Amino acid sequence: AQSVTQLDSQVPVFEEAPVELRCNYSSSVSVYLFWYVQYPNQGLQLLLKYLSGSTLVKGINGFEAEFNKSQTSFHLRKPSVHISDTAEYFCAVRRTSGTYKYIFGTGTRLKVLA
Amino acid sequence: GAGVSQSPSNKVTEKGKDVELRCDPISGHTALYWYRQSLGQGLEFLIYFQGNSAPDKSGLPSDRFSAERTGGSVSTLTIQRTQQEDSAVYLCASSGDRGEGRAKNIQYFGAGTRLSVL
Repeated sequence: AQSVTQLDSQVPVFEEAPVELRCNYSSSVSVYLFWYVQYPNQGLQLLLKYLSGSTLVKGINGFEAEFNKSQTSFHLRKPSVHISDTAEYFCAVRRTSGTYKYIFGTGTRLKVLA
Repeated sequence: GAGVSQSPSNKVTEKGKDVELRCDPISGHTALYWYRQSLGQGLEFLIYFQGNSAPDKSGLPSDRFSAERTGGSVSTLTIQRTQQEDSAVYLCASSGDRGEGRAKNIQYFGAGTRLSVL
């Protein structure tokens, strides 16, 4: 079975500062990895995904994430955050074969302060 | 339609009543998912449908929960004899297996149904 851990439930950061949201996963088989963002009172939307190839993936709104297989991590980063980045961020995994089931982490609430 | 549509957007019910939540996926999407989002709990997988295959019901929390998908399109999640702990936002998502790139690996979410059980 797969599991996803987002250790930080809340991350406050000042505007224009860098941020890293941590995601670790556990799986005995190969997985795809995803980050979704949920803005206040909105549905979830895909931020970025890792399927194969380069371990550094870039997403929308200046976010990027790096897949580290040895550390089973997929941390999300942004060099300079804006107030508009205030949202909840979810990391998710899905097996590369056999099932279309996604496992989500519990989310990290990013609050950008002026 | 242009996106995943869920109805109603809000539902208030009394403990013990049955409720039905509806999801209209993006046209042509073969996979449909239901999740439950509770405060501080993240997204909890409930069930998914993939084409004509048997659904994966492994996430349904009890036999009071059931879902069906008619004609490979619209899906209904039914909760019988609702309890206060069923209060949550129920999210539906769909994904396709056609299209450019890896479209089948992208889930598109609806805005959710907020269920309140009094």
